[in-house]
Amino acid sequence: DGGITQSPKYLFRKEGQNVTLSCEQNLNHDAMYWYRQDPGQGLRLIYYSQIVNDFQKGDIAEGYSVSREKKESFPLTVTSAQKNPTAFYLCASTPGNELNTEAFFGQGTRLTVV
Amino acid sequence: AQKITQTQPGMFVQEKEAVTLDCTYDTSDPSYGLFWYKQPSSGEMIFLIYQGSYDQQNATEGRYSLNFQKARKSANLVISASQLGDSAMYFCAMREGGTGGFKTIFGAGTRLFVKA
Repeated sequence: DGGITQSPKYLFRKEGQNVTLSCEQNLNHDAMYWYRQDPGQGLRLIYYSQIVNDFQKGDIAEGYSVSREKKESFPLTVTSAQKNPTAFYLCASTPGNELNTEAFFGQGTRLTVV
Repeated sequence: AQKITQTQPGMFVQEKEAVTLDCTYDTSDPSYGLFWYKQPSSGEMIFLIYQGSYDQQNATEGRYSLNFQKARKSANLVISASQLGDSAMYFCAMREGGTGGFKTIFGAGTRLFVKA
């Protein structure tokens, strides 16, 4: 079955550590996205990538980094510069640059700083 | 400036009744897409309905319909015959192009509670 796989489902990080969240898709989609969701709030765009080896900052990119070396993979690194990283992180993809296409989402990773 | 505004943090509806969830948006681009997603407590995001900026008719998908008023920049979701399983967070979203490519942005969401 095609879809998006995020791992791990739960992640605990000590303060000062970098952690990497995995996002893999087998939908052959060109575009991939990372969103952050805080309790009771909407999704805020962190980074997005329209094509391999290219990515753009979203609204809250500070303290995060990404790479897009393969079409199917878009890992997100939460660096120690991110002061409040505890949140629910969602990865999504779309086929490409069309307006009428919905985003396909992974199951999310819940990150907690301990 | 906030581009997607959902002014109802929480809504209650009686089972089997209809409910309208409000959404207004802001864009200067004539081409855009509007979406509604449902997020149950499990956290997954479920696509519900889509409306294109050039669509003349309001979109419908089963019990979901989108009341699109372009001049007022509103895209309200109407759920008819509410069911207990409709209790969830609902997000309005807009997809538009830009210098960095196409991206989808979301509102803050409305939590819907369906009462038996």
